[in-house]
Amino acid sequence: QVHLQESGPGLVKPSETLSLTCVVSGDSINSNWWNWVRQPPGKGLEWIGEVSHNGDTNYNPSLKPRVTISVDKSNNQFSLKLSSVTAADTAMYYCARVTSGCATTSCFFDPWGQGTLVTVSS
Amino acid sequence: IVLTQSPGTLSLSPGERAILSCRASQTVNSNYLVWYQQKPGQAPRLLIYGASTRATGIPDRFSGSGSGTDFTLTISRLEPEDYAVYYCQLFDGSPMYTFGQGTKLEIK
Repeated sequence: QVHLQESGPGLVKPSETLSLTCVVSGDSINSNWWNWVRQPPGKGLEWIGEVSHNGDTNYNPSLKPRVTISVDKSNNQFSLKLSSVTAADTAMYYCARVTSGCATTSCFFDPWGQGTLVTVSS
Repeated sequence: IVLTQSPGTLSLSPGERAILSCRASQTVNSNYLVWYQQKPGQAPRLLIYGASTRATGIPDRFSGSGSGTDFTLTISRLEPEDYAVYYCQLFDGSPMYTFGQGTKLEIK
């Protein structure tokens, strides 16, 4: 069974960089696309971006200037960095998998991690 | 592409039929239309992909339909565990993933 687990600081100061890691178990990170999705409290879902096993990335244009997603194959994990954060970046951050080659079938997030809440505050 | 879900909140009793709508701002490939269920304090759960294919383990009271710009998630007979927020999602191939704003299904 595939399991994803997010980790990272729960509190980040404004203007600093948010850093999160997602550890993947039950699947090799050497395949598929590995994604970050966030959800502000009481609001909807927003796709942040994704990384492939070879380091290729795709980002939401609205966040692209501030986002870096990278993969660490040796530890079967991937990471998110979001710079210059403000209170608007306060959210539950989820990691999730998208199957490679899905463009010929259907692209969706499954499974998801349980999420980690990040609050931006001084 | 913008996905608009309606209604924002749907109040129904157990045993009733729920019909949730997701409308795209332009014609989309139905293969890329997906539905999730999210309960409080939990991550979203995949329900339907390809507009109409149930994910593994999803009860057959859940069904998806639609094409073009209009898609529907139907829950034939509501069970107590079905009360949640439902999101539609689209992959537009650019690649970019977009979510609808969600429909909250609450007990009447």
